[in-house]
Amino acid sequence: EAAVTQSPRSKVAVTGGKVTLSCHQTNNHDYMYWYRQDTGHGLRLIHYSYVADSTEKGDIPDGYKASRPSQENFSLILELASLSQTAVYFCASSGLSAETLYFGSGTRLTVL
Amino acid sequence: GQQVKQSSPSLTVQEGGISILNCDYENDMFDYFAWYKKYPDNSPTLLISVRSNVDKREDGRLTVFLNKSGKHFSLHITASQPEDTAVYLCAAGMNQGGSAKLIFGEGTKLTVSS
Repeated sequence: EAAVTQSPRSKVAVTGGKVTLSCHQTNNHDYMYWYRQDTGHGLRLIHYSYVADSTEKGDIPDGYKASRPSQENFSLILELASLSQTAVYFCASSGLSAETLYFGSGTRLTVL
Repeated sequence: GQQVKQSSPSLTVQEGGISILNCDYENDMFDYFAWYKKYPDNSPTLLISVRSNVDKREDGRLTVFLNKSGKHFSLHITASQPEDTAVYLCAAGMNQGGSAKLIFGEGTKLTVSS
């Protein structure tokens, strides 16, 4: 079965600090995604990648960077965390057609 | 703007009834449509999906209807059960220039009351 693991499961960060969220998949999938979940907004796409060493902007990329050093790993980086970035973050992977996304368990980020 | 919209943030249905969840989209290039189910504190999982070359797909109690001219698709759940209580996220996507991504709606919280 598809496996996407995220770390950490939860994190408290201070405003202005740097935060790195990590995601690892063992599905041999080409595509990886970062979404954030906010009440009333569903899932919004931040960044995605379809090949190692390349990332694409999603719908809400401002304030976030992404890194795909290998097919298996995809990180989301908040260089200067802000209060508005408090949310649950989901990583997902999919095959070439993106028809089925396999999600990780999510990371609950609280910025104080 | 929001490319995929679910106009109803919540829906309550009696046990045994039909739950109808709706989704509208803006981009007529979308060629793939899906419904994901999400329990609190869990990750979304795919329920059912359909390609743009069909207008209906059934899977057990679930049916997806696609109306491309109206840029609308819906999920019908027959014989609704309390365990169907969850947030339902619609999603639409397309493959373009070798890049594929899925855009989600805001979600509809379905409550099935017994």
